[in-house]
Amino acid sequence: DAGVIQSPRHEVTEMGQEVTLRCKPISGHNSLFWYRQTMMRGLELLIYFNNNVPIDDSGMPEDRFSAKMPNASFSTLKIQPSEPRDSAVYFCASSSGGVVSGYTFGSGTRLTVV
Amino acid sequence: GNSVTQMEGPVTLSEEAFLTINCTYTATGYPSLFWYVQYPGEGLQLLLKATKADDKGSNKGFEATYRKETTSFHLEKGSVQVSDSAVYFCALRGNTDKLIFGTGTRLQVFP
Repeated sequence: DAGVIQSPRHEVTEMGQEVTLRCKPISGHNSLFWYRQTMMRGLELLIYFNNNVPIDDSGMPEDRFSAKMPNASFSTLKIQPSEPRDSAVYFCASSSGGVVSGYTFGSGTRLTVV
Repeated sequence: GNSVTQMEGPVTLSEEAFLTINCTYTATGYPSLFWYVQYPGEGLQLLLKATKADDKGSNKGFEATYRKETTSFHLEKGSVQVSDSAVYFCALRGNTDKLIFGTGTRLQVFP
């Protein structure tokens, strides 16, 4: 099992550009989560999906952020237009569901917006 | 609602010292409890878990016991190593898909 795979590992972009982060969850996991981590705010849940359907997007900071999960093996988080305050590490995690199940995290994408 | 409170860091220890990182929780029902570890530049990794009262989770010399009477899940290790330096997150999962994390505690171990 290759685990949760995120790409790219690092992304540097200019303010105003569109950024797309990608995630491949563990096969068989039916829940997928996008988190953002910064020194100031810590770990924030942005959105999560269950069976490819968005369940809770209350953590998405504003309309510039959008997430999709077109199938069980792929999800994207898009920022358009990007701003310097979006600089953070973005993690994707997946879970098989149920109270006893934890999450498996990807290695993250470090985004720098200049 | 459900919440997790863990001690603020950093926790600074010498190698071979005893470690305790406190974690308490507020939850309805019967949540599962978790400890995650994040090494520099990496994602969070599940360290251990306990799914019911009085269960003890253990891994890599770390232990935590699910105490319902004190609503606690403190992380302990008898002898820390420099390689244990990381950020440790306590978390709970109730009857939803959401895992509720604490704010994290940074551990620094010096030789």
